[in-house]
Amino acid sequence: DAMVIQNPRYQVTQFGKPVTLSCSQTLNHNVMYWYQQKSSQAPKLLFHYYDKDFNNEADTPDNFQSRRPNTSFCFLDIRSPGLGDAAMYLCATSRGGGAGGYTFGSGTRLTVV
Amino acid sequence: GESVGLHLPTLSVQEGDNSIINCAYSNSASDYFIWYKQESGKGPQFIIDIRSNMDKRQGQRVTVLLNKTVKHLSLQIAATQPGDSAVYFCAEGSGSNQFYFGTGTSLTVIP
Repeated sequence: DAMVIQNPRYQVTQFGKPVTLSCSQTLNHNVMYWYQQKSSQAPKLLFHYYDKDFNNEADTPDNFQSRRPNTSFCFLDIRSPGLGDAAMYLCATSRGGGAGGYTFGSGTRLTVV
Repeated sequence: GESVGLHLPTLSVQEGDNSIINCAYSNSASDYFIWYKQESGKGPQFIIDIRSNMDKRQGQRVTVLLNKTVKHLSLQIAATQPGDSAVYFCAEGSGSNQFYFGTGTSLTVIP
């Protein structure tokens, strides 16, 4: 089945130690998104890629970076995780151009110790 | 970003009753709206969507109403079941490819 896959489901990292979260898709969608979701809050858009074009949200901290080496994969890099970065990180895809088809992965729960 | 929820509203309904969940969106340029259901520890699950050229759309046991004048969206769930207990989010998108979530509502169905 076409889907969005996030690995790992649970990630524990040390304070200040760089960590990378992975997302892959078999939908061949043009757009890939990364969201941060903290407890009892709505998912917050960090950035998205339209093909290879990177679009950062104005309030996304510099500590968060992303890479999209090809259509299928997108990575979220947290350069120096702080305790406040502990959250669920969600990856999503869409066809782009307002065509909809937004599909979410199951998320990666990040714990910072 | 757009609107982000900091305190989750709650709604409790009796099993079998109808539920109405409301959402206010902030971007007048948004032309595509989706309701998602999210269970604990899982990613958002698509329920129903609506484009801005429509006021109402029906699915199986669910109806979405869109009022563009006041930028309001609602989700109606008919004959609510215990399995409907979850957090519900509306989300708004546009041709710019940005896609934002509104404040969620935690729905609890009482058997």
